Amino acid sequence: DAKTTQPTSMDCAEGRAANLPCNHSTISGNEYVYWYRQIHSQGPQYIIHGLKNNETNEMASLIITEDRKSSTLILPHATLRDTAVYYCIVRTENSGNTPLVFGKGTRLSVIA
Amino acid sequence: GAVVSQHPSWVICKSGTSVKIECRSLDFQATTMFWYRQFPKQSLMLMATSNEGSKATYEQGVEKDKFLINHASLTLSTLTVTSAHPEDSSFYICSSGLGSIGSYNEQFFGPGTRLTVL
Repeated sequence: DAKTTQPTSMDCAEGRAANLPCNHSTISGNEYVYWYRQIHSQGPQYIIHGLKNNETNEMASLIITEDRKSSTLILPHATLRDTAVYYCIVRTENSGNTPLVFGKGTRLSVIA
Repeated sequence: GAVVSQHPSWVICKSGTSVKIECRSLDFQATTMFWYRQFPKQSLMLMATSNEGSKATYEQGVEKDKFLINHASLTLSTLTVTSAHPEDSSFYICSSGLGSIGSYNEQFFGPGTRLTVL
């Protein structure tokens, strides 16, 4: 799986959009970009994933650059409950029987 | 979505005792489950892959005789920390791959078990 690079930490004001970047310059053609988050003392939670088109669900939006070397996770209206570590993971999609490999992620702090 | 549960959610034990942690898939069958360990302020580290009906596969540096994994059914995998010591204190998390949700696969994680060894 390709390596990803994320900022160590970010702050965001409550109610504002949180934009979390991820670099994955070595991504290969069949690899997807996945985002998970981990709230303190809980298991990781799936957020969203995509291949090359932008994706949106009830939790977030995922913007992938045209060259697929980077992406941005957008939480449109951050709340205090969104404070968590966010992990960007690149992997092939149909690999539910292979483990996720976690980097250090970005610690997002949403501030009132 | 699918749910993975863990029991207990936290446990405190004396050094030298053994602790069993259960991981259950509540509404789906899981032929494969994964066990992770997370130390404070660190990321999740894969310990082992648990396969139903066969031996677990351990990551390099993880002692298979110390961390016993049993995956006897399609809904239950257990991790037993034998002769636990303070350095085994950690947050243990299991996850399971799912065949498909809609058109894609997704892994679901348990809520984690915090082990404290005194």
